[in-house]
Amino acid sequence: DIVMTQSPDSLTVSLGERATINCKSSQSVLYYSNNKNYLAWYQQKPGQPPKLLFYWASTRESGVPDRFSGSGSGTDFTLTISSLQAEDVAIYYCQQYFSTPYTFGQGTKLEIK
Amino acid sequence: QLQLQESGPGLVKPSETLSLTCTVSGGSISSSDSYWGWIRQPPGKGLEWIGSIHNSGSTYYNPSLKSRVTISVDASKNQFSLTLSSATAADTAVYYCARGMIVLVRLHYFDSWGQGTLVTVSS
Repeated sequence: DIVMTQSPDSLTVSLGERATINCKSSQSVLYYSNNKNYLAWYQQKPGQPPKLLFYWASTRESGVPDRFSGSGSGTDFTLTISSLQAEDVAIYYCQQYFSTPYTFGQGTKLEIK
Repeated sequence: QLQLQESGPGLVKPSETLSLTCTVSGGSISSSDSYWGWIRQPPGKGLEWIGSIHNSGSTYYNPSLKSRVTISVDASKNQFSLTLSSATAADTAVYYCARGMIVLVRLHYFDSWGQGTLVTVSS
């Protein structure tokens, strides 16, 4: 199984400041034939299901604000919120869909300072 | 807009079978570009993929649960279902159904999720 490890486990950031969440996979999730990273990011607010933010590591899902960005390749990935808003308080998960079983990171809890 | 809704008992006794159904609306479960998956989340913990099914009947399960899991589809009702046998307290979780967008053969990410349903395994 591909192990997904996120850092940090929790993060406290001031409103308007940048938030950065890291995700590392135990093996590459880059598929060389199409040069795509099989990595998704989800946002989960309290009492709600996860919501897809990015797929292919950096392709923003429709409706996701552009203050969110995804980057990285191979085994190292980053989710960045350029200017934190109150509604961004949530737990963020990365997930690999390179191979089954699909696996998720343990989650990063983002709070406001 | 695609919507998914989980249904089933909220309480299951240990050693019994957990059964849930996901009803899809706003889209067809027979869509060739979709897998239909189950993901669970124990209270206060992270996400675990259980398995996914295509309307063709092709299924993929998490090996950690494979011996106890069956996922099936009923296209006539636009539903798919999960059964998990020999339930224990460790199976207590919120169970989500989700649509998997196929990107390559069977590989998919989950772009639409149900609200989830809490299943507690307890006597």
